[in-house]
Amino acid sequence: DAKTTQPDSMESTEGETVHLPCSHATISGNEYIYWYRQVPLQGPEYVTHGLQQNTTNSMAFLAIASDRKSSTLILTHVSLRDAAVYHCILRVDGNTRKLIFGLGTTLQVQP
Amino acid sequence: GGIITQTPKFLIGQEGQKLTLKCQQNFNHDTMYWYRQDSGKGLRLIYYSITENDLQKGDLSEGYDASREKKSSFSLTVTSAQKNEMAVFLCASSIGGVTGQLYFGEGSKLTVL
Repeated sequence: DAKTTQPDSMESTEGETVHLPCSHATISGNEYIYWYRQVPLQGPEYVTHGLQQNTTNSMAFLAIASDRKSSTLILTHVSLRDAAVYHCILRVDGNTRKLIFGLGTTLQVQP
Repeated sequence: GGIITQTPKFLIGQEGQKLTLKCQQNFNHDTMYWYRQDSGKGLRLIYYSITENDLQKGDLSEGYDASREKKSSFSLTVTSAQKNEMAVFLCASSIGGVTGQLYFGEGSKLTVL
């Protein structure tokens, strides 16, 4: 699985929209982009994933660059509950069964 | 929805002791995983299993044994606890190799005195 690069930390205020960037310059054509988040004392929680097209669900919007070398997880109207470590991970579906987690981005949300 | 249950939630051991962590899932998922999380480090894969009685080594398997006797359960044994060791062990499951959507338990925190 290819490597991803994320900022160590980001800050926001309740109600704002937050853009969490992820760089994956060496991504392969068959690698999916997965996002997980983790709050203290809990295991990681799946947020979303995509291959080429932007995707959206109740948790977030995932914007994928046209060259797929980067992606951005967009959280709208953040609340204190969104404070977590966000992990951006690449995975080849149907091939390898393991996800490789890095340190992710710690998102702090101020009241 | 399903749930992943890890026991015990907290485990305190002595140096050299053999310690076992258990994980149960009711999703009916094929694949189960054990990860280790140390402070300031990302998750590292210890073992995974794609079906009952299958075991696959991850990047950190040395010093650990695993067992998948039933589809719903996956246990991990620390064969010899290291003094002052402290880490969180996370169990997860997924439908199979088709998806990267894993469901994690809350973790088991190990402290070795």
